[in-house]
Amino acid sequence: GNSVTQMEGPVTLSEEAFLTINCTYTATGYPSLFWYVQYPGEGLQLLLKATKADDKGSNKGFEATYRKETTSFHLEKGSVQVSDSAVYFCALKGGGTSYGKLTFGQGTILTVHP
Amino acid sequence: GAVVSQHPSRVICKSGTSVKIECRSLDFQATTMFWYRQFPKKSLMLMATSNEGSKATYEQGVEKDKFLINHASLTLSTLTVTSAHPEDSSFYICSAREPSGHPGGEQYFGPGTRLTVT
Repeated sequence: GNSVTQMEGPVTLSEEAFLTINCTYTATGYPSLFWYVQYPGEGLQLLLKATKADDKGSNKGFEATYRKETTSFHLEKGSVQVSDSAVYFCALKGGGTSYGKLTFGQGTILTVHP
Repeated sequence: GAVVSQHPSRVICKSGTSVKIECRSLDFQATTMFWYRQFPKKSLMLMATSNEGSKATYEQGVEKDKFLINHASLTLSTLTVTSAHPEDSSFYICSAREPSGHPGGEQYFGPGTRLTVT
């Protein structure tokens, strides 16, 4: 079945540091890939997505590239801010019998200090 | 963007009682809603897919008689935890998907409901 593996957290960075959160997946067919963010006390929000190989999703300075050869979708940001502190979830949406369903990674807690 | 609400945001109930959680899509009609359970420091686990006007589809291992799902209208789905036990304590999150054919067909998530069973 489908699965998503994220790097273990928590991740603690200073403001303006470079961020990478690794995400790899296992899926049949050609899934769509997503990053969601959950700020404290709030629901999940879609951060970015990519629907096919070599697509790059980007939003709010965050980027992730769909790498089919390495089955990865790593999240990056060149300069993090305190306001980026949140939990980040990598997810995939598969086809076939899993059509439309999202499979999530375990989440990575990011804390950014001033 | 689309907004999904959940009510209540927090609920404490006694063991053996039932609790109902509501999920509403506020500015779009959702033929499909999803219910997830989130354990501390763990990922979201899909419990069931709720389709308006039909029975919910439960994931393997989820007791359908314990977690009753009703999707009576295009903007409302409810999850009822029946005969709740302390092990049912968790964070329950719903999402609503834009209608098929709508650009994106994205899922929009509610803010979650924290259930504590004493």
